Amino acid sequence: EAGVTQFPSHSVIEKGQTVTLRCDPISGHDNLYWYRRVMGKEIKFLLHFVKESKQDESGMPNNRFLAERTGGTYSTLKVQPAELEDSGVYFCASTQTGGVSTDTQYFGPGTRLTVL
Amino acid sequence: GQNIDQPTEMTATEGAIVQINCTYQTSGFNGLFWYQQHAGEAPTFLSYNVLDGLEEKGRFSSFLSRSKGYSYLLLKELQMKDSASYLCAVRETSSSASKIIFGSGTRLSIRP
Repeated sequence: EAGVTQFPSHSVIEKGQTVTLRCDPISGHDNLYWYRRVMGKEIKFLLHFVKESKQDESGMPNNRFLAERTGGTYSTLKVQPAELEDSGVYFCASTQTGGVSTDTQYFGPGTRLTVL
Repeated sequence: GQNIDQPTEMTATEGAIVQINCTYQTSGFNGLFWYQQHAGEAPTFLSYNVLDGLEEKGRFSSFLSRSKGYSYLLLKELQMKDSASYLCAVRETSSSASKIIFGSGTRLSIRP
């Protein structure tokens, strides 16, 4: 069974440009999460999808970040326009169910974003 | 507020035992996870505790005390490949029950 995949693995862009990150969860997993780890800091929750609906987007830093999951399969996270402080590793994770179960979140390898 | 504390770095010897501690203060509690993360790779699940006590899984064990807001990860018979970051993470109780709060991670170095 394929794991969570993310594309690209690395992205280097200039301040003010736009970048779109993609996440493909494990097949059949309705729940998809985005996290971010800024250099030297802990991994922080950004948002949670259940199928195509945003269940919790309390961690999104500002309106420069837009996440979508049309069709409830893969998800994209767009940063527009990118700022220097957006640099970090963006992780995606998925679970089959997202209630009070003990389901483990399976993480993708992350996308390392560098904004110059 | 939310706060998860764990040591930044630890060093141990191959074949030995090491205990990584984690203390937490969160607005709700619905389980504690330990993840292992090698540099440049995805965090991988190690253990999950929601009730007090010790959970053993091969060379790795995890302990939880909810009244003390405390957990530890115990690694036995250390191997060089255990050199990695170990992340303590707490799932908060909320309408979206799977929101996970991570600690900064403990970088464990194993020496021969």
